[in-house]
Amino acid sequence: QKEVEQNSGPLSVPEGAIASLNCTYSDRVSQSFFWYRQYSGKSPELIMSIYSNGDKEDGRFTAQLNKASQYVSLLIRDSQPSDSATYLCAAAMDSSYKLIFGSGTRLLVRP
Amino acid sequence: EPEVTQTPSHQVTQMGQEVILRCVPISNHLYFYWYRQILGQKVEFLVSFYNNEISEKSEIFDDQFSVERPDGSNFTLKIRSTKLEDSAMYFCASSDRTSTETQYFGPGTRLLVL
Repeated sequence: QKEVEQNSGPLSVPEGAIASLNCTYSDRVSQSFFWYRQYSGKSPELIMSIYSNGDKEDGRFTAQLNKASQYVSLLIRDSQPSDSATYLCAAAMDSSYKLIFGSGTRLLVRP
Repeated sequence: EPEVTQTPSHQVTQMGQEVILRCVPISNHLYFYWYRQILGQKVEFLVSFYNNEISEKSEIFDDQFSVERPDGSNFTLKIRSTKLEDSAMYFCASSDRTSTETQYFGPGTRLLVL
């Protein structure tokens, strides 16, 4: 199993809808997870981090972590066309500083 | 808001030439990283650096690569003899001691090896 897996998409949602982005991870990664947004040709921009089981909310974004299922998700409420980007899930390795990235899910928000 | 900066934004070089990519991490950060992203592929870890030494490196980071912190602000990645497959976006990132895993990325350098 790959360490961090994401569906490549594209995920297409209408403006104003909730976009749900998912990520699964293997045992080798730690319990620290990050969501980055990456516009085409640009660098990853940190959106949220989550370390504990459950939900963490920041504005229109909610990260959810389920350690039993090895699953982390990002919900974007009231999606805007400007949210159209690739969303990268990343996990920190145990006893390491490096981040392991998934391949990203492309989100398209239709006006 | 403090941010990581990188120069140059674009670099074109001939195969076999040496390139140096430069980064200025966020000023109070102590942990520095280089990642790369080949077009259409994942972001891949190259190396982490702390206290003036490499703390971890990936299998990509072979003898052709080196990193240096030549002064109090800059952090550089050198590729000694570039190959075509080194063409990629190279991202520098940094983090502070309170949350080493929360890494902030610079805008990247797009390297094209001809």
